[in-house]
Amino acid sequence: EVQLVESGGGLVKPGGSLRLSCVASGFTFSSYSMDWVRQAPGKGLEWVSSIISSSSYIYYADSVRGRFTISRDNAKNVLYLQMDSLRAEDTAVYYCVVGATTGYWGQGTLVTVSS
Amino acid sequence: DIQMTQSPSSLSASVGDRVTITCQASQDITNFLNWYQQKPGKVPKLLIYDASNLKTGVPSRFSGSGSGTNFTFTISSLQPEDIATYYCQQYDNLPRTFGPGTKVEIK
Repeated sequence: EVQLVESGGGLVKPGGSLRLSCVASGFTFSSYSMDWVRQAPGKGLEWVSSIISSSSYIYYADSVRGRFTISRDNAKNVLYLQMDSLRAEDTAVYYCVVGATTGYWGQGTLVTVSS
Repeated sequence: DIQMTQSPSSLSASVGDRVTITCQASQDITNFLNWYQQKPGKVPKLLIYDASNLKTGVPSRFSGSGSGTNFTFTISSLQPEDIATYYCQQYDNLPRTFGPGTKVEIK
């Protein structure tokens, strides 16, 4: 059974940092690209970042480029999202997603940026 | 970046009605399109990939069609449990952009 467990969310002040983790199991993590997708309260889905299986190709949404860093540890089956210089508009539930068409999503972790 | 539009933004229909949602891409995405269902407070669920392929276990009343820039998602007979917001998503190019969503309600 595929499991994706995100953690690391919480309340942080504007300008602060958080590191999200997504621990994967039940599939060959090293074979898949991974995405972070977020959803602000009451809003739609926003793709944030992608990293391919070997980490050799990484892409970011314009809204987070230069502030967020995606990475992965294929030995530990973990996906990360380092979020720096956080803004109020980054407040959202953050999901990790396996590839483009697997349909495997984590349960999400809530990030709240507020003073 | 590829922009995705959806229409309508919301709709209200009766149980048993046929419901159709359209999604348009700003450039040709071949058939690299997903349709997701998201119920309130829940994780999005992938219903259709490659524009028309039903994920295993998804009821056959859901279907998708289209290619290039114009796509359609259909619920052939709306059921009470289909109340949700539906999103299209292109994966032809990064960023894998989502449409703004269509909220489906029961009349």
